[in-house]
Amino acid sequence: AQTVTQSQPEMSVQEAETVTLSCTYDTSESDYYLFWYKQPPSRQMILVIRQEAYKQQNATENRFSVNFQKAAKSFSLKISDSQLGDAAMYFCAYCDTGNQFYFGTGTSLTVIP
Amino acid sequence: KAGVTQTPRYLIKTRGQQVTLSCSPISGHRSVSWYQQTPGQGLQFLFEYFSETQRNKGNFPGRFSGRQFSNSRSEMNVSTLELGDSALYLCASSLNTRAPGELFFGEGSRLTVL
Repeated sequence: AQTVTQSQPEMSVQEAETVTLSCTYDTSESDYYLFWYKQPPSRQMILVIRQEAYKQQNATENRFSVNFQKAAKSFSLKISDSQLGDAAMYFCAYCDTGNQFYFGTGTSLTVIP
Repeated sequence: KAGVTQTPRYLIKTRGQQVTLSCSPISGHRSVSWYQQTPGQGLQFLFEYFSETQRNKGNFPGRFSGRQFSNSRSEMNVSTLELGDSALYLCASSLNTRAPGELFFGEGSRLTVL
């Protein structure tokens, strides 16, 4: 089975600064999809950003962007101009073409005012 | 459009009992998947249903089972509960187009086993 590793259980960032969350994955497939999900405290998990493996261009959604390194099997999330509302647990996820998702253990992000 | 609804939100059971959790997906979504979330373990995939058929299954014992109805609503059942089954159980639905799409999560059912 594919594995997803988030090596940073906790991270903190000053408000308005930039933070990068790391994610690596293990797969022998060439076609797959990668996601970052955000789970605010006591709230529903929501999609932050999505990347198709066949696309070389890194995905961007407003203040959120990824650094996708396919050969290195790395998929990091960069949050620019951090806001208090960004405080949450962030999960990296891998999805195969059979629609099965594999999640990492999460990174808890604290935003310091 | 209503989101994914999970019931009950909280429940307390004792070892050996069984529990049934319910999930109503977003209207039009045919894929429903279930995850177990525990601190430090992240989300562990339980199973996925599509059009009433179990399409994928994670590495959980047979005590964990599920089903999907014709209206796409899904239930999961855990029999002979153990202390280690205490967790937040999340349900997610998706359109399941050809390419894997966004998962829409419910708020979860928090199960405590005493």
